[in-house]
Parts: sequence; structure tokens; C-alpha cells
Amino acid sequence: DSGVTQTPKHLITATGQRVTLRCSPRSGDLSVYWYQQSLDQGLQFLIQYYNGEERAKGNILERFSAQQFPDLHSELNLSSLELGDSALYFCASSVAAKGQPSTLHFGNGTRLTVT
Amino acid sequence: GENVEQHPSTLSVQEGDSAVIKCTYSDSASNYFPWYKQELGKGPQIIIDIRSNVGEKKDQRIAVTLNKTAKHFSLHITETQPEDSAVYFCAASATSGGSYIPTFGRGTSLIVHP
Repeated sequence: DSGVTQTPKHLITATGQRVTLRCSPRSGDLSVYWYQQSLDQGLQFLIQYYNGEERAKGNILERFSAQQFPDLHSELNLSSLELGDSALYFCASSVAAKGQPSTLHFGNGTRLTVT
Repeated sequence: GENVEQHPSTLSVQEGDSAVIKCTYSDSASNYFPWYKQELGKGPQIIIDIRSNVGEKKDQRIAVTLNKTAKHFSLHITETQPEDSAVYFCAASATSGGSYIPTFGRGTSLIVHP
């Protein structure tokens, strides 16, 4: 068990809808990362937050947004959903001291199916 | 940005054999290389990592090697067991604005036959 909790485990929704994925990091970790995993694209970095502030941005679509709250949990919001957004969405957390590499600890993901 | 190539995409071995997975990276500034194991229905979990100031690192049956000049690194698993069956990902990362964001390879599905 990595200590990272993601909810829900599965989500089925229709095109055009909006969903929210939730992540609770490991105790003591200040940084949260979101990744998208699909068969054709592998693990793609979306966005990182550190102690409530956005720190790094990857290939995140404008239809997607995220935030990290004062209690350090994070939410990834996906809107105007398209069939191609169907994927596994992973949250990871780390200590992420600035300028130092740190291990990412992944949750078990949310499987999103857009029909 | 960083680009990580990983080979092979599938690797099938007999129990007790060794398995080797190879990765190359493009950004010479990358200096941290973790390896992750992903079992079915779970998220990736780190199994070993190596930093650029080290050429090799071992942890029981697992070892990683790094050749910075050639920009490639490898994972070696000896005496494979059926429970080693999983998807393995290599990653490379360099600091960007103070953050280390791993760029992952496409994964290797390792199958260990009893």
C-alpha cells in the first residue's frame, strides 16, 4: 500500500460531461502529481502541485484543471469530456524538496470511461 | 523536453532466468532514473532508482546500470520468479524550476513462466 488514496476507482460518464477525481497524498508528502495512462500514450504527466501551489505543468488540456487544498488533498477536474479522455488517471505524491529528486508514490488510479 | 525509449515492449522468460530491460534518454541534464513496477489493477510502485553520480546499484535480485555518455540505463533482474511478472517502467528526470518530473518509457510487460 503506497499510502496514496484515489477515489473513485471507476467512473463511467457520457461525452460532454464533467467529472472530479480526488486524491489524498501520503502523510507528510507536500507534493501531488497527476498522470494520465492510456494504451497508446503511456504515462503522461499532467500537472504538479506543491503545498497548494501549481509547480509544474505538462500535457494538460485546457478542458482539465486541478487544485490542491489546504489539507493537501487534490482534485482533478475534467470537463467537456470526449471519448479520447477515457484512460487511467493516477495521482502520485512525494516530499518534493526543491531541487532534489524524490520518489513518487502512486495511488491505484481512477479508471475513466467516456461513452 | 525529455524523451525516453524503452525496449523490449514484451519480455517472456522461464522462471530462474535473467531479464534485462533497456532504456535510452535524450536530455543530457537528466540525473535521476527511477524504475517502477506496475501490477494489474494497481499503480506503479518504485523498485529501485539510480542517480547520475553512480554507475551501478544493486538491491538483492535487482540491479540498475547507467551509462551517462551513451545516455542509456538498464534494469537487470536475476533468478526471476512468477511474482516478478508485471509491467516495468523506466523514467528519467532533470530539475525544471526546482521540480523533478519523471518522463516515463512506454513500459515492458515481463512474463515469467513457472
